[in-house]
Formats: sequence, C-alpha cells, structure tokens
Amino acid sequence: AQTVTQSQPEMSVQEAETVTLSCTYDTSENNYYLFWYKQPPSRQMILVIRQEAYKQQNATENRFSVNFQKAAKSFSLKISDSQLGDTAMYFCAFMKPNRDDKIIFGKGTRLHILP
Amino acid sequence: EPEVTQTPSHQVTQMGQEVILRCVPISNHLYFYWYRQILGQKVEFLVSFYNNEISEKSEIFDDQFSVERPDGSNFTLKIRSTKLEDSAMYFCASSPQGALWGVGYTFGSGTRLTVV
Repeated sequence: AQTVTQSQPEMSVQEAETVTLSCTYDTSENNYYLFWYKQPPSRQMILVIRQEAYKQQNATENRFSVNFQKAAKSFSLKISDSQLGDTAMYFCAFMKPNRDDKIIFGKGTRLHILP
Repeated sequence: EPEVTQTPSHQVTQMGQEVILRCVPISNHLYFYWYRQILGQKVEFLVSFYNNEISEKSEIFDDQFSVERPDGSNFTLKIRSTKLEDSAMYFCASSPQGALWGVGYTFGSGTRLTVV
C-alpha cells in the first residue's frame, strides 16, 4: 500500500522568504503522480502543483516549485518570495495512474507566513 | 473557471438522523469522489463513482453510507444514521478522466457536518 509522510507538522517563515516543505512517499509503482494541495482557512482544497513520475524535470508554477527525487521517493515543495496569502495547510498527495484511483494524502504541514 | 459546488456549507444534525450532502460536479467530468477530513486530521478517501456505480470504497464507507447521482448533475452522499464520529468536513471532487491522466481532482469547498 502507498503511504505519504510529511514530517513537518507546522512551520513559520517571514514574508518574502523562501520555504521548503518536505514529503516522502512509499510505493512499488514505477509510474504515478504526485501533488501538493493547499488548504487555506476557508478549508477549500486547491491544487498547487503536480508532478508525473516519468518526467525527470521538476514541475514549476510561478513561485512554487518541487524537488522530485524519484530514487529517494522524495517530493518537496519550495515556495519562493512567500506571501501572507500562502498561509495554509499544505498536503502532499500520491495517485496511481489507474482509472478512478484514489488520492492518498499526507497529514499536512501547517505553514504560517509572518508579516 | 469551472467549480465543484457543495451544499450546504455547514450542517448540524442530531445523532441518529439521516443527512444528505449535495454536490454538483463540473459538467463534463466523469468521475466523482467523496473524501472526509476530521478536524485536525488528514483527508481520507471515502468512495469513487463512475458510470452510475461505485468504483471503489474505503473501509470507512460502511453500510451507513450511500452515494447516488439521481439526475445527471447532482452527486449526493447520504449518511443513514449519523454518529458523533461522523462529524467532519466532507469534500466532493470530480475529475474528467479519473486518475488516468493524473490531472488531479477539482475539489468543492466542503460541507462541515456537525453531529450533536
């Protein structure tokens, strides 16, 4: 069974700084997808970034980028020039590329951006 | 941008009562899901639904739970006899092609269910 581990329950950084959130996962699959979801205080789940395991290039979305290390089964999220609106719970998630398969979430990292 | 809509945003119910949580997925999506998040805990899969039937369900999704798509647009989650431990945030999600292309789901804003 697949598992997703986020070892940082909570983090705080100053506005405009760069922060990295860690995630490791366990799977025997060779092809799969990884995601970071953001859950602000409104509690909506918002997709931040996705990575296909067969792609070596790390995904980037504006200020958000990932460091995907397939052999190490590591998938960290880097937020550059952090903004107050980045304050949220961040979930790392895993999905196999099978039709209708479920997403498996980590326990989340609560990120506080301080003014 | 298309949205997944969930109603109500918050529901309070007496223990033992039936509740129906409603979702309107994105119109051209084919796969539908319910997840729940007990306060302070991680998001957990409940059930996936495709072609008018359940594709997969977790062990949480016992006989007290059911889903249906009654009219081609709504997707509902029914809890037959609520328990205190059913108190949670319930998220509906939809996907255009399931997990096949790994696009990730679009989640709704959630329904906060409080059982008293």
